[in-house]
Amino acid sequence: GDSVTQMEGPVTLSEEAFLTINCTYTATGYPSLFWYVQYPGEGLQLLLKATKADDKGSNKGFEATYRKETTSFHLEKGSVQVSDSAVYFCALKSGGGADGLTFGKGTHLIIQP
Amino acid sequence: ETGVTQTPRHLVMGMTNKKSLKCEQHLGHNAMYWYKQSAKKPLELMFVYSLEERVENNSVPSRFSPECPNSSHLFLHLHTLQPEDSALYLCASSQVQGRNNEQFFGPGTRLTVL
Repeated sequence: GDSVTQMEGPVTLSEEAFLTINCTYTATGYPSLFWYVQYPGEGLQLLLKATKADDKGSNKGFEATYRKETTSFHLEKGSVQVSDSAVYFCALKSGGGADGLTFGKGTHLIIQP
Repeated sequence: ETGVTQTPRHLVMGMTNKKSLKCEQHLGHNAMYWYKQSAKKPLELMFVYSLEERVENNSVPSRFSPECPNSSHLFLHLHTLQPEDSALYLCASSQVQGRNNEQFFGPGTRLTVL
């Protein structure tokens, strides 16, 4: 079955540091890939997505590139802010229609001023 | 109201109680989902409704009973729960058509079973 593996935290960085959160996946076919973010006390918000190989999703300074050859979708940001502190989830969707998402366990990111 | 709303935001119940969680989406979507988020575990898909019909039930115990009366509302009826059912229950919605239809999540209901 489908699965998503991401680095578990917490990941602690200083403000303005470079961020990478690794995500690899196992899936049949060609899934769509997503990064969601969850701030304390809130639900999940879609951060970015990519739907085919070599696509790059980007939003709010975050980027991730769909790498089919390495089955990866690593999240990066050049300069993190305290407000980026949250839990980040990598997810995939194999089929079309109303298929559910398969999530990783989430990575807790802590940015210190 | 905009997006996906869930009520109540917090719920404490005993093992013999019966309660219901409510989800409403204001996005014009036609698919709705229940997920369970437990500590140290990935989000688990529980139920999927597409065009008001249940299309997926991921081996969820019968003490959880979903209901989707129309495309905007989704309920999760709870009875005789166990302490291990304590978790954050998230509702999501999406469009059925199209392969790359992202899901929009509500804020969740934090459930504690005593």
